[in-house]
Amino acid sequence: RKEVEQDPGPFNVPEGATVAFNCTYSNSASQSFFWYRQDCRKEPKLLMSVYSSGNEDGRFTAQLNRASQYISLLIRDSKLSDSATYLCVVPYTGTASKLTFGTGTRLQVTL
Amino acid sequence: EAQVTQNPRYLITVTGKKLTVTCSQNMNHEYMSWYRQDPGLGLRQIYYSMNVEVTDKGDVPEGYKVSRKEKRNFPLILESPSPNQTSLYFCASSSNRGSDFLSSYNEQFFGPGTRLTVL
Repeated sequence: RKEVEQDPGPFNVPEGATVAFNCTYSNSASQSFFWYRQDCRKEPKLLMSVYSSGNEDGRFTAQLNRASQYISLLIRDSKLSDSATYLCVVPYTGTASKLTFGTGTRLQVTL
Repeated sequence: EAQVTQNPRYLITVTGKKLTVTCSQNMNHEYMSWYRQDPGLGLRQIYYSMNVEVTDKGDVPEGYKVSRKEKRNFPLILESPSPNQTSLYFCASSSNRGSDFLSSYNEQFFGPGTRLTVL
């Protein structure tokens, strides 16, 4: 099993739709999780972090299911500007030194 | 403006010709790291540095060298580049504040990337 696994997509959704991505991880000791956003050929930028069961920031909700070892990202009322690749990131427990990135899920929001 | 800069942004070179990609951050971050990004493989860590003169291998260190003589700079050196090092490279930095698991990870700020082609 890969350390971090994501559905590559692409997810094509109309503006205003709700879309959810899942990310599974193999290290059951991981405590914190992150979603980064990456626009085409640009650098990744932190979108959200989740340490407990979930985190909400406006239209974005990140949820954690430790029993099944997955995290999800929910985007409500999708905007054209949400089109990007979303990277799931799992750090090694207790250290900033090693981050494992998923390969990313591509989202395309259309009119 | 707080930022991570990389140079060059684009480079086409030939096999065996030594090159250096520079990375500099102005946020006084202790931690710096280099990644490469390839289609279908995602971001993979090459080397990282927890502070000045402290460096360690990531997942794919073969063929690369780094140094951390100053806090702000973390150059990536390819002594003898090969075509399989053609990739998009990102430098990143973060603070090492705190010691518990919640704060031991701090947001990583990425540079704009360097697209390297080795012929």
